[in-house]
Amino acid sequence: EVQLVQSGAEVKKPGESLKISCKGSGYSFTSYWIGWVRQMPGKGLEWMGIIYPGDSDTRYSPSFQGQVTISADKSISTAYLQWSSLKASDTAMYYCVMIPSPTTHYFDYWGQGTLVTVSS
Amino acid sequence: QTVVTQEPSFSVSPGGTVTLTCGLSSGSVSTSYYPSWYQQTPGQAPRTLIYSTNTRSSGVPDRFSGSILGNKAALTITGAQADDESDYYCVLYMGSGTLWVFGGGTKLTVL
Repeated sequence: EVQLVQSGAEVKKPGESLKISCKGSGYSFTSYWIGWVRQMPGKGLEWMGIIYPGDSDTRYSPSFQGQVTISADKSISTAYLQWSSLKASDTAMYYCVMIPSPTTHYFDYWGQGTLVTVSS
Repeated sequence: QTVVTQEPSFSVSPGGTVTLTCGLSSGSVSTSYYPSWYQQTPGQAPRTLIYSTNTRSSGVPDRFSGSILGNKAALTITGAQADDESDYYCVLYMGSGTLWVFGGGTKLTVL
């Protein structure tokens, strides 16, 4: 069974750094793209970026380029989303998701979400 | 900048049929955009319903169907049930650069 299990909720102050994780299991982690999706409180879903754990090829949505860093450690089947300096506007739920096929271009197998709260 | 448009809200009676749409601020949606649809109930992660315009994801009942209607992608729910009351998001694949764009979502009420 394919599973994506995310790290727990975080409460941080503005300016702090943060790295959240998404561990994949039940499939070949290095063979499928993993993406990150943001959902701000009461708002819709936004695609942030994707990574191919096999070679760490990474693509970012123009809206998030330079704002976050996506990485992966294939030795432990885990993808990461990190911030170097959080802002209050980073407060949101973040979901990791697998892209199961490079030819049909959709998201499937969602993580449970990680709630990030940034507040002074 | 490309904007993907969805109806902000819609309502349907139990047992009824509803069609939600997904359009582009400029241009027509075609199968080349690989439209996909996701259902999200409050406090839950999204669930994949439809991909590649009209392919149901594993375990999705056949009362959910996808299509292209005119110049938009469409999600039709036939025989709506109370637990279909959710937010529904479409996503279009844009290719290189932006890759994917989500629509703003449609809040479906079943009453």
